Amino acid sequence: GAGVSQSPRYKVAKRGQDVALRCDPISGHVSLFWYQQALGQGPEFLTYFQNEAQLDKSGLPSDRFFAERPEGSVSTLKIQRTQQEDSAVYLCASSLGQLSYEQYFGPGTRLTVT
Amino acid sequence: DQQVKQNSPSLSVQEGRISILNCDYTNSMFDYFLWYKKYPAEGPTFLISISSIKDKNEDGRFTVFLNKSAKHLSLHIVPSQPGDSAVYFCAASLISSNTGKLIFGQGTTLQVKP
Repeated sequence: GAGVSQSPRYKVAKRGQDVALRCDPISGHVSLFWYQQALGQGPEFLTYFQNEAQLDKSGLPSDRFFAERPEGSVSTLKIQRTQQEDSAVYLCASSLGQLSYEQYFGPGTRLTVT
Repeated sequence: DQQVKQNSPSLSVQEGRISILNCDYTNSMFDYFLWYKKYPAEGPTFLISISSIKDKNEDGRFTVFLNKSAKHLSLHIVPSQPGDSAVYFCAASLISSNTGKLIFGQGTTLQVKP
């Protein structure tokens, strides 16, 4: 079956531009996570959705970062007024249940801010 | 504050030999541990996991060992194959966080030489 998909795969933005990153989770998966992975580091948690409810956004680095999942399936991570330090790979993951530890990751979106 | 640490950035082993990847953690409340494998330009793929109530879990060539007193876990791959060459991430989860978010180490790059 289809896995987690993300688009675009690569995004170049000029400093100050807004970007929107899309995640299509595995169909039927309740939980959806966004992670940020800097070069040479492990993924770092940004935010968590259970269906359409955003239950944890403790990892969002600033109020320029906003995520939504309005119908409980597709999710969008939006970054306003991008800065160079936002350059990273943004990974989306989904899992079947409320507290399913095994998360299935998409290929990521590589964001480069110039 | 790095709660999950992989102190070896890289490891090189000969095909057919054992690969041992190590991971240390600081939070004794972590209740579930996972290993993910990542190829370039792809998202992390779940490999194997272990609950904090166990000390060993085996799946084919992969075995994870957990030493709670030392706050240490390791992944053994026997025998190692060239296709195992990838970045391996250790991750931990905390059920009291109520989100299932994963906390990752920095990763270890494994190279298996033919």
